[in-house]
Amino acid sequence: GAVVSQHPSRVICKSGTSVKIECRSLDFQATTMFWYRQFPKQSLMLMATSNEGSKATYEQGVEKDKFLINHASLTLSTLTVTSAHPEDSSFYICSARDGTDISPLHFGNGTRLTVT
Amino acid sequence: AQSVTQLDSQVPVFEEAPVELRCNYSSSVSVYLFWYVQYPNQGLQLLLKYLSGSTLVESINGFEAEFNKSQTSFHLRKPSVHISDTAEYFCAVSPRGNTPLVFGKGTRLSVIA
Repeated sequence: GAVVSQHPSRVICKSGTSVKIECRSLDFQATTMFWYRQFPKQSLMLMATSNEGSKATYEQGVEKDKFLINHASLTLSTLTVTSAHPEDSSFYICSARDGTDISPLHFGNGTRLTVT
Repeated sequence: AQSVTQLDSQVPVFEEAPVELRCNYSSSVSVYLFWYVQYPNQGLQLLLKYLSGSTLVESINGFEAEFNKSQTSFHLRKPSVHISDTAEYFCAVSPRGNTPLVFGKGTRLSVIA
């Protein structure tokens, strides 16, 4: 079945540094990918919709200059957390569909970001 | 806009007992409905989905969910749970089109031996 690969699975960084998270669709092309953030014991909150070849669409309250999204190819989207702070520590998950709009979303295994 | 309500944040149940995880949704347009399962520190795995047709949908591991349009519900059930079913379960909806999912807050199912 369709697989979405996310890397790294865990990352620890110092405050003020930047971290890049990669999301790849391994056996299908994804014109659209979705980035979610999950706080401990809470649901997934949509951060942004990543569109191949164009700018991402951010949800209200998400700082686009802080969470940089690049979707340069049909199989890769990246999320860069810039100038990370401890409050950015969270679980980030990407997802994509492998076909039509009735296809379910496939999720990566997530990235646990810890900012010290 | 769509919203999803999962009334129970935690559901403890003994092994081999039946379980129902409740999910209600709100939407002004037709939606697709999903249940996802999440194991600790992992992404989400699709459990089952309702797109159209039969209102009762089943997964390969014994879970089933029934779409009830009049009650705007999509409750998840399993007649006999196993220890391995312990996980977080998320109900989600999306309007038709290549749109993101809107998730409920999740229900933590804990199966007790």
